[in-house]
Amino acid sequence: KAGVTQTPRYLIKTRGQQVTLSCSPISGHRSVSWYQQTPGQGLQFLFEYFSETQRNKGNFPGRFSGRQFSNSRSEMNVSTLELGDSALYLCASSWPSPGQGPLYGYTFGSGTRLTVV
Amino acid sequence: QKEVEQNSGPLSVPEGAIASLNCTYSDRVSQSFFWYRQYSGKSPELIMSIYSNGDKEDGRFTAQLNKASQYVSLLIRDSQPSDSATYLCAVNKGRGMNRDDKIIFGKGTRLHILP
Repeated sequence: KAGVTQTPRYLIKTRGQQVTLSCSPISGHRSVSWYQQTPGQGLQFLFEYFSETQRNKGNFPGRFSGRQFSNSRSEMNVSTLELGDSALYLCASSWPSPGQGPLYGYTFGSGTRLTVV
Repeated sequence: QKEVEQNSGPLSVPEGAIASLNCTYSDRVSQSFFWYRQYSGKSPELIMSIYSNGDKEDGRFTAQLNKASQYVSLLIRDSQPSDSATYLCAVNKGRGMNRDDKIIFGKGTRLHILP
């Protein structure tokens, strides 16, 4: 069974540019969550998508956005990149039972390491 | 108060001893709790989940939950050098109704097993 696939693995971008990251969840998983991980702040929740709808959102500016497609694949976009956006971006998929939320925990992808210069 | 708090460590434990990792959380409605292990340069890996008060054992790992004290812990018995990693405590802030589920992570405790 394939795991969570994130592409690309590494990215170097310039301040002011925008970037799109991709995540393919485990087959059958309908929930995809995105996290930003930095040494200082740890893992911070960006947003969660379920059945193409954003179900939850963290405390990030509007420059961070995402979407989910009908096949559960998800993309996140960061516009007008800032140096502080340099981080490891992790995608996690899960299969919640209806009404039970993500009780099964997440399976993380390998992440996309974004460097903004 | 941070939503999920852990001692950052490093916690140094001799090989073969019991490693004890602790975590507190602030939201009383939290329903499910997780421990993840993250090796340097790798993504987090789920090792334990617990939903009810008490202990849950899986091999060398035991998760303990006390909802009244808002406290979660992870015990690792017979610690091995391969257990050296950062351990992340994670809490589902929601009520399990999908609408408000959101898993919040602590910043992690670095564990170092001394050979």
